Amino acid sequence: DQQVKQNSPSLSVQEGRISILNCDYTNSMFDYFLWYKKYPAEGPTFLISISSIKDKNEDGRFTVFLNKSAKHLSLHIVPSQPGDSAVYFCAASVNRDDKIIFGKGTRLHILP
Amino acid sequence: DTEVTQTPKHLVMGMTNKKSLKCEQHMGHRAMYWYKQKAKKPPELMFVYSYEKLSINESVPSRFSPECPNSSLLNLHLHALQPEDSALYLCASSQAGTGAYITYEQYFGPGTRLTVT
Repeated sequence: DQQVKQNSPSLSVQEGRISILNCDYTNSMFDYFLWYKKYPAEGPTFLISISSIKDKNEDGRFTVFLNKSAKHLSLHIVPSQPGDSAVYFCAASVNRDDKIIFGKGTRLHILP
Repeated sequence: DTEVTQTPKHLVMGMTNKKSLKCEQHMGHRAMYWYKQKAKKPPELMFVYSYEKLSINESVPSRFSPECPNSSLLNLHLHALQPEDSALYLCASSQAGTGAYITYEQYFGPGTRLTVT
């Protein structure tokens, strides 16, 4: 049973526009959420995280929003740039644990 | 230095071979991880070492044997693998969170692409 779900396998966005990647989770014990970006033939790179005590965290062009009641989080990238084309993984964990659970990923294509 | 290095980058081995994957980090991280990733799938956790002790084994077959010789090194010894074990093997490290009520982000290496023939 998937505890972290990314229901969109792929997403295409025009360069300069906003990219919104969505993630849902089922385990109410999760209290820390992360987004990773992965290029082909490379390991995932940490992008941004959010603790369950917050509903928003911003870092430059990247903002993560958390809606605990809906068990939903989203990653906003604005403005989108060609280098943002990659696979984005949503991940979640329970504090007190070194283990993080990954979603299946969403492939983002930034169109010129 | 925020890099996790892995060697080799590519490995082809037969089902009777014994080989090892190596991972190294010099960030002072005390938690290290092995993941397996198949094409178009998320990374799947295999093992976690925390303070050089095995803390999590996700029911991985015994043909995979992890080893943590010191806080900077992590090995994965491979023996009698099956073709379905072909995958990208990722190493990661983080500040250890176990017992600290904090989760830290993990830094990943580039992976070793393993092909079992």
